[in-house]
Amino acid sequence: NAGVMQNPRHLVRRRGQEARLRCSPVKGHSHVYWYRQLPEEGLKFMVYLQKENIIDESGMPKERFSAEFPKEGPSILRIQQVVRGDSAAYFCASSRDRGTRNSPLHFGNGTRLTVT
Amino acid sequence: AQSVTQLGSHVSVSEGALVLLRCNYSSSVPPYLFWYVQYPNQGLQLLLKYTTGATLVKGINGFEAEFKKSETSFHLTKPSAHMSDAAEYFCAVTQDYGGSQGNLIFGKGTKLSVKP
Repeated sequence: NAGVMQNPRHLVRRRGQEARLRCSPVKGHSHVYWYRQLPEEGLKFMVYLQKENIIDESGMPKERFSAEFPKEGPSILRIQQVVRGDSAAYFCASSRDRGTRNSPLHFGNGTRLTVT
Repeated sequence: AQSVTQLGSHVSVSEGALVLLRCNYSSSVPPYLFWYVQYPNQGLQLLLKYTTGATLVKGINGFEAEFKKSETSFHLTKPSAHMSDAAEYFCAVTQDYGGSQGNLIFGKGTKLSVKP
């Protein structure tokens, strides 16, 4: 009965490199959300995906960031040409259905990205 | 647009004392409200939620919160603090329909310290 699994837990990248963050949702969940937590801030919504579809990416920076949730395999958040300002904790959450009334979000333990 | 304000970024109480963490929200539609707890280097765990019905909701670990529409508040309380309650607490709001369905809007969090 595994929860949301994120890896790696910690990721260090030099400026200009690419960061790939992976998220395996709870078994049976087909809705995935990515959030970013900056130091001393709450979580900020980035993107919402269902299998093979991006439903809402209104919180994603326009450049360098992309997300996917393929038919098979985990959801991937990809950050190209990382900068120091990308240093943050990135959390993935999943739910069985869209909406949270009867289908609350289950969060993973996050990936802490450090850009040096 | 929805928003959440948590008053007090840090709250310190003595063990056995009342815990009161404040949350006010702004929403143009009936809100769904949540409290999450985050222990160091972990993800968020759902404490309790309000969707419809009874305005006093009980959660895990002895916490409860009351939805007060007239005050646009959803304060979190616990009658007697325990050392294990030391963590960061996040209030969140969402709506159950429309383009933002399921996308949680978080407050900045309140760090709770419990003194022996």
